[in-house]
Amino acid sequence: RKEVEQDPGPFNVPEGATVAFNCTYSNSASQSFFWYRQDCRKEPKLLMSVYSSGNEDGRFTAQLNRASQYISLLIRDSKLSDSATYLCVSPNQAGTALIFGKGTTLSVSS
Amino acid sequence: EPEVTQTPSHQVTQMGQEVILRCVPISNHLYFYWYRQILGQKVEFLVSFYNNEISEKSEIFDDQFSVERPDGSNFTLKIRSTKLEDSAMYFCASSSGLAGWYNEQFFGPGTRLTVL
Repeated sequence: RKEVEQDPGPFNVPEGATVAFNCTYSNSASQSFFWYRQDCRKEPKLLMSVYSSGNEDGRFTAQLNRASQYISLLIRDSKLSDSATYLCVSPNQAGTALIFGKGTTLSVSS
Repeated sequence: EPEVTQTPSHQVTQMGQEVILRCVPISNHLYFYWYRQILGQKVEFLVSFYNNEISEKSEIFDDQFSVERPDGSNFTLKIRSTKLEDSAMYFCASSSGLAGWYNEQFFGPGTRLTVL
């Protein structure tokens, strides 16, 4: 049973492009979700939390669709520095662990 | 800004040897975690620890693994008899509360374990 599934990627986009990643989850009881960013051989770092229908932070927008059990991450005006792997994450029911998707790799080129 | 630290950054060991990976969580955090990431694969949960006991563990966390908080600052992961398949990046994380309740888990930079 795959708890969190993501677009396989990789996504290769030019600077300034808008790109969207999708993620589906299997635990319908999950109340919160996260997008983490992971640079090559580095630790995951929290990018955005999603507790209700969505969240926006500058160029980044996360949306949650509970009926369809998917979360999306939209990046507008892509920068070279956005190149990374984006991890869709959900806590387990007890909140004692994070369940990670495999990640979607984004490469932004000039 | 407070951060989670881990030592060593890279550990090379022979199969069958014991290793101890060390972590210093953020000082006022109460929940501690170990995750691992095999090269090219997803981050996998190993164990969570709260109030000096394990609160959750995954199928990966078998009898070869143990965790300890030997003092007020360190949090360790011990692998008793390493196998080749234990080669991975091991991340420690900490949080002030349970995940999913507006509590971010902060990750350390990881220890890369190589078992030969």
